[in-house]
Amino acid sequence: NAGVTQTPKFQVLKTGQSMTLQCAQDMNHEYMSWYRQDPGMGLRLIHYSVGAGITDQGEVPNGYNVSRSTTEDFPLRLLSAAPSQTSVYFCASSPSWGRDGNEQFFGPGTRLTVL
Amino acid sequence: AQSVAQPEDQVNVAEGNPLTVKCTYSVSGNPYLFWYVQYPNRGLQFLLKYITGDNLVKGSYGFEAEFNKSQTSFHLKKPSALVSDSALYFCAAWGYQKVTFGTGTKLQVIP
Repeated sequence: NAGVTQTPKFQVLKTGQSMTLQCAQDMNHEYMSWYRQDPGMGLRLIHYSVGAGITDQGEVPNGYNVSRSTTEDFPLRLLSAAPSQTSVYFCASSPSWGRDGNEQFFGPGTRLTVL
Repeated sequence: AQSVAQPEDQVNVAEGNPLTVKCTYSVSGNPYLFWYVQYPNRGLQFLLKYITGDNLVKGSYGFEAEFNKSQTSFHLKKPSALVSDSALYFCAAWGYQKVTFGTGTKLQVIP
């Protein structure tokens, strides 16, 4: 199993550009989520999905869109990049959303810089 | 609202000494609590979890954590620190469909 994969590893954007961060998992996990990590702020939840076709907002959803057309894939779209979106982005998956106490599996992260 | 607090930004400990990284939580219902470790330029890795049962939970790499319901704490411990334990540690808790993370504690083990 490859686990959770993310592409790209690094990305530099100009303000106003759009892009999609890719996330895939091969563990048939029901739950997937996107976080951003900023110094001193821990991990903040952007969006999550409890299954294919179902998504919801997390703590900091503004400026981001997601979709979940398959169990495996959960792409994160930046609609119009802003310098405030400079961060490290992590995708994670879990067998279920938490009712069974399952841990999350994290991807290696995407380091995004917006100029 | 659910919250997880890690009161120390950094913990320094000498190699071979015991270490403790603190975590307190505020959740409704039965807490599902986790510790994750992050090495530089890597994703988070699961260390251990408390779901139910014994208050002392054992995990990977010799780490353990003590759940204390009355103090709403879930401190991470290790009897003898290694230099290779130096990393960023996160405490986390499941709420309804969402995980709340603490802000992280940087552990520095000094040779």
